[in-house]
Amino acid sequence: GQQVMQIPQYQHVQEGEDFTTYCNSSTTLSNIQWYKQRPGGHPVFLIQLVKSGEVKKQKRLTFQFGEAKKNSSLHITATQTTDVGTYFCAGRNTGGFKTIFGAGTRLFVKA
Amino acid sequence: DSGVTQTPKHLITATGQRVTLRCSPRSGDLSVYWYQQSLDQGLQFLIQYYNGEERAKGNILERFSAQQFPDLHSELNLSSLELGDSALYFCASSRRGTGNSGQETQYFGPGTRLLVL
Repeated sequence: GQQVMQIPQYQHVQEGEDFTTYCNSSTTLSNIQWYKQRPGGHPVFLIQLVKSGEVKKQKRLTFQFGEAKKNSSLHITATQTTDVGTYFCAGRNTGGFKTIFGAGTRLFVKA
Repeated sequence: DSGVTQTPKHLITATGQRVTLRCSPRSGDLSVYWYQQSLDQGLQFLIQYYNGEERAKGNILERFSAQQFPDLHSELNLSSLELGDSALYFCASSRRGTGNSGQETQYFGPGTRLLVL
């Protein structure tokens, strides 16, 4: 069945350093979404990518969707303590109904 | 506030018992999704309902069942509870969730934290 792998599982950074999390699917995705879950909170939608090779930016966050629509990445420039949390990617293969979430990357930011 | 409500917020029960978790989707959303999140784990998709009918099934145990009512609220029933069922259970809703080639934003509720002793 469809699998969505996300790496790394954890990342510790010093405030001001950059951070990247990667998402890889075993099948081609119709699109991919990214969510953020703060400690003790619930997942909150960040963005959706649809087109092959698409790149979207939200302030210090840059999201990419691979050309083959099988992988994606989230890059945070100059992390801040407010970036702390777990970042999940979520994808659904073309024509499918199930949304598969990656295991998430937990980001720790040291001030 | 996502507009999705879940009750109860916390639930403590014993092994072998049965509990019901309730979810009210955002106004106008037709799809409801249930997820299980164990401690420091990812989101495990359990089941999706769309306008009262089961739409997709994930890794949901046979001891678990769900339904979506005509007013679109949903309930997740967990029976013969085991220690390993202790987790955070999230409900999410989306406008349609009809599949096709699209994927809609899911709005998550605050979750129900279940502790089985």
